[in-house]
Amino acid sequence: QVQLQESGPGRMKPAETLSLTCTVSGSSVSSGFYWGWIRQPPGKGLEWIGSIFQTGSTYYSPSLKSRVTFSLDTSKNQFSLKLTSVTAADTAVYYCARGYSSLDVWGKGTTVTVSS
Amino acid sequence: QSALTQPASVSGSPGQSITISCTGSSGDVGGYNFVSWYRQHPGKVPQLMIYDVSKRPSGISNRFSGSKSGNTASLTISGLQAEDEADYYCSSYTSSSSVVFGGGTKLTVL
Repeated sequence: QVQLQESGPGRMKPAETLSLTCTVSGSSVSSGFYWGWIRQPPGKGLEWIGSIFQTGSTYYSPSLKSRVTFSLDTSKNQFSLKLTSVTAADTAVYYCARGYSSLDVWGKGTTVTVSS
Repeated sequence: QSALTQPASVSGSPGQSITISCTGSSGDVGGYNFVSWYRQHPGKVPQLMIYDVSKRPSGISNRFSGSKSGNTASLTISGLQAEDEADYYCSSYTSSSSVVFGGGTKLTVL
């Protein structure tokens, strides 16, 4: 079955750039699906970050659009997120998932803590 | 972009039915049939329960149903079970080609 696994830095300092990668198994990132990122701050609700299609077309949250970039690596069957100029407000569990308006397969999530 | 509005909490007894509302605007819920619902147990990964307003993914019990009227979508859970106790989130596609989530509803099974 389709499985997704996030990988990231764990802890980082304010103003740094967050880089996360999602490795897909059981499916191809070029198989016609959208792939997305969602985050959840501690004790809070879900926030959609954006989605990317196999063509490289991207769709971002308006509130994060100026700081976020998605990319696909078909050779590694991965997709990635970069978020610039992080602050403590970016502390969250970051999930990758398959889909766009609906997200049917999720990774287990990776915790990112921004602290000086 | 404002989050969709959900009640903070709802509760019901085993066997009863409950409904969780999700209110947006004509630019999201009311304008598109792309409303989804997710269940998240504490410390666990969200699970898709309903998509495209009323469709159930494979493996999801028919105790879960979705509907929409105007700018408000609803999730109904019938025959409440202890395992249904969780946080529930709605989401909708929007006119800016983005997706917005609701603030979440904590369901307590009494």
